[in-house]
Amino acid sequence: EAQVTQNPRYLITVTGKKLTVTCSQNMNHEYMSWYRQDPGLGLRQIYYSMNVEVTDKGDVPEGYKVSRKEKRNFPLILESPSPNQTSLYFCVGTPNTEAFFGQGTRLTVV
Amino acid sequence: AQKVTQAQTEISVVEKEDVTLDCVYETRDTTYYLFWYKQPPSGELVFLIRRNSFDEQNEISGRYSWNFQKSTSSFNFTITASQVVDSAVYFCALILGPVAAGNKLTFGGGTRVLVKP
Repeated sequence: EAQVTQNPRYLITVTGKKLTVTCSQNMNHEYMSWYRQDPGLGLRQIYYSMNVEVTDKGDVPEGYKVSRKEKRNFPLILESPSPNQTSLYFCVGTPNTEAFFGQGTRLTVV
Repeated sequence: AQKVTQAQTEISVVEKEDVTLDCVYETRDTTYYLFWYKQPPSGELVFLIRRNSFDEQNEISGRYSWNFQKSTSSFNFTITASQVVDSAVYFCALILGPVAAGNKLTFGGGTRVLVKP
């Protein structure tokens, strides 16, 4: 069964404290993305990766980093979180034209 | 660039009423896929349907049905005889095919459905 697993599910942190949200997939596919969800704005792409060591900016990349050292994992890094990054985050695997979502990470930055 | 619009931000109905959620999309590509997702209060995204641009047949799955009309660039979703458990936010999304840069999903803003007993 295709799965995307992200952790943690919930996280409360303080402004400026670096954090990483992990994401792993078992589909052995190249395409992965991170999205953030905000009320009224739907989900917007932060970063995507088309393969190992190949990443690129999505629509709202400011304040985020990603890495793709291996196909399975695609962590989202917030070097210095700010309150405007309080949001619901989803890691998504998109093999071909399907989409497999992680469970979501609800991040609060105070 | 692609765009998906869900004009209804919130719909409130009484149980057993039918509810239709509108989704209008824009793309210059001829090959694309449309999705509907349900997001209950717990936050996860539940896949409902995926439809490719070459298949305009309407689909019914239990109380759910979808009406895809390329002529009006719409992919509307109807819940028949709504139930309280249908209360959620519903998202329409589009992805280009077969494989496009980033395989980006473009989402509408979502429609919150509240079904009252």
